[in-house]
Amino acid sequence: GENVEQHPSTLSVQEGDSAVIKCTYSDSASNYFPWYKQELGKRPQLIIDIRSNVGEKKDQRIAVTLNKTAKHFSLHITETQPEDSAVYFCAASKGSTLGRLYFGRGTQLTVWP
Amino acid sequence: DAGVIQSPRHEVTEMGQEVTLRCKPISGHDYLFWYRQTMMRGLELLIYFNNNVPIDDSGMPEDRFSAKMPNASFSTLKIQPSEPRDSAVYFCASYRKDSAGNTIYFGEGSWLTVV
Repeated sequence: GENVEQHPSTLSVQEGDSAVIKCTYSDSASNYFPWYKQELGKRPQLIIDIRSNVGEKKDQRIAVTLNKTAKHFSLHITETQPEDSAVYFCAASKGSTLGRLYFGRGTQLTVWP
Repeated sequence: DAGVIQSPRHEVTEMGQEVTLRCKPISGHDYLFWYRQTMMRGLELLIYFNNNVPIDDSGMPEDRFSAKMPNASFSTLKIQPSEPRDSAVYFCASYRKDSAGNTIYFGEGSWLTVV
């Protein structure tokens, strides 16, 4: 199967600073890499995703980069706000069944006002 | 659409009892997934269906767990007998393979506590 490692497990930043979360994957056949935000007691919610034919994708304050050679991908959040505080999960899948996700262990992001 | 609907939202049961969790996927979605979330193991796939047929059940922990999808709008995950280590949040998710974006939608989850 696939093994997804995520770092750091916790991250504290000051409001307005940037936050970066990194993930590595083991299976070079993986081709879809979503990021989920999960608030306490809620479901995981997709915030951005990237496919293996793209190196970078941006959506307002959020961006994801993918390095297929090194098998790692990263989430970048700029101008962080207290409401960005949550657990963030990276995931990977391969083939045509994108919902068969292998998740990282999560990063607890805390943004201090 | 109301999204992926799960029930019950919360359940507390005694060890040894049967537990049935239910899921209604988004209409038109042809894939359905059952995930479990625990502090120890994180988010892990238990089983998934394509067009109501189980495709991969390698994540089902043991024979005490079973899942069915009798039709395109309903799936169940059953635990019999339940044990305290089954305490977790169980998420159902669905998606439609050929839709633009191929977004996977998660339900609100079923919070199970076995005492």
